[in-house]
Amino acid sequence: LAKTTQPISMDSYEGQEVNITCSHNNIATNDYITWYQQFPSQGPRFIIQGYKTKVTNEVASLFIPADRKSSTLSLPRVSLSDTAVYYCLVGGGENDYKLSFGAGTTVTVRA
Amino acid sequence: GAVVSQHPSWVICKSGTSVKIECRSLDFQATTMFWYRQFPKQSLMLMATSNEGSKATYEQGVEKDKFLINHASLTLSTLTVTSAHPEDSSFYICSARKEYNSPLHFGNGTRLTVT
Repeated sequence: LAKTTQPISMDSYEGQEVNITCSHNNIATNDYITWYQQFPSQGPRFIIQGYKTKVTNEVASLFIPADRKSSTLSLPRVSLSDTAVYYCLVGGGENDYKLSFGAGTTVTVRA
Repeated sequence: GAVVSQHPSWVICKSGTSVKIECRSLDFQATTMFWYRQFPKQSLMLMATSNEGSKATYEQGVEKDKFLINHASLTLSTLTVTSAHPEDSSFYICSARKEYNSPLHFGNGTRLTVT
């Protein structure tokens, strides 16, 4: 099981870049890394997914080093509405049968 | 695309009754669906994984006779909480996935309150 470790919380201000790092030391060869955002009383929302190197979409970037034992979600120029819990999820390969979430990172954006 | 609809969004029931929660993938076929439970200020806890046409795989500690999961088609999975008790009150969230390595797409959750 690819257990993940993230910081419990992070504070930021509007307009800043927020980087959240997730450790997943026992990631399997076929596993992908996926990040989700969750607001209170809502289901998580898919943000970005990657396998290696760098992936970028309209809302975030995902950086994955060559050893894939960690990943960093980068949120550019955050706003108040980005205040949420962010989860990284590792799976899809050998560990596919158990897509379990870690504790997540609560990001608080202040004005 | 990739919309998952979950109903009801909230339900209040009396102790001892059963409640059914539906999870539908509206614009894709889901080979696998997952059911999670979330308590206030905690992470999502995986309850079970279900593949269309086969029995669900339950996580340790989750009573399969109490939380009945049916995945009758590639677009529909249901979770029935049988003989509900106040301790079953929680936020239940389903998710669906097209195939291996595809991202999970989540419903908006169901707030269950058992009185």
